Amino acid sequence: DIVMTQSPDSLAVSLGERATINCKSSQNVLYGSNSKSYLAWYQRKPGQPPKLLIYWASTRESGVPDRFSGSGSGTDFTLTISSLRAEDVAVYYCQQYYSSPYTFGQGTKLEIK
Amino acid sequence: QVQLQESGPGLVKPSETLSLTCAVSGSSMTSGYYWGWIRAPPGEGLEWIGSMYHSGSTFYKPSLQSRVTISIDTSENQFSLRLESVTAADTAVYYCARGRGNTGLFDFWGQGTLVTVSS
Repeated sequence: DIVMTQSPDSLAVSLGERATINCKSSQNVLYGSNSKSYLAWYQRKPGQPPKLLIYWASTRESGVPDRFSGSGSGTDFTLTISSLRAEDVAVYYCQQYYSSPYTFGQGTKLEIK
Repeated sequence: QVQLQESGPGLVKPSETLSLTCAVSGSSMTSGYYWGWIRAPPGEGLEWIGSMYHSGSTFYKPSLQSRVTISIDTSENQFSLRLESVTAADTAVYYCARGRGNTGLFDFWGQGTLVTVSS
């Protein structure tokens, strides 16, 4: 299985400031034939299902605000929220969909400082 | 608007079988999507359980494979999860979700349903 490890486990950021969450996969999730990294980011708020934010490591899902961005390739990835808003408080998960069993990171809890 | 909705018992006794159904609306189940189940134990992260294509091909998390069955009824636009011989460790919020294309990228999710395993 591909193990996904996020850092940090929790993060407190002031409103309007940048939040950065890292994700590392135990194996390369870059598919050579299409040069795409099979890495997604989800946002999960209490009582709500996960919401897809980013896929192919850096493609924003339709309707997701442009303050959310993803970067990275291969085994190291980053989710950045450029200017934190109160509604961004949530737990964020990375997920590899390169191979079954699909696996998620342990989650990063983002709070307001 | 794609919508998924889980239904099933919220309480299951140890050693019995957990059965959930996911009703799908706004999306054809035969148009090239995978359909999956994911769970989240209370206070914990997300765990993929398994996925199924409308053709019948299925794949499961290896550690659950001996106990899990996912089936699909395209005529009713729904798919189901069966998890046998449950224990307290199977207590979780269970989500159904649509897998985009032929991948494990989940773009639409149900609201989730809490299933508690307890006598």
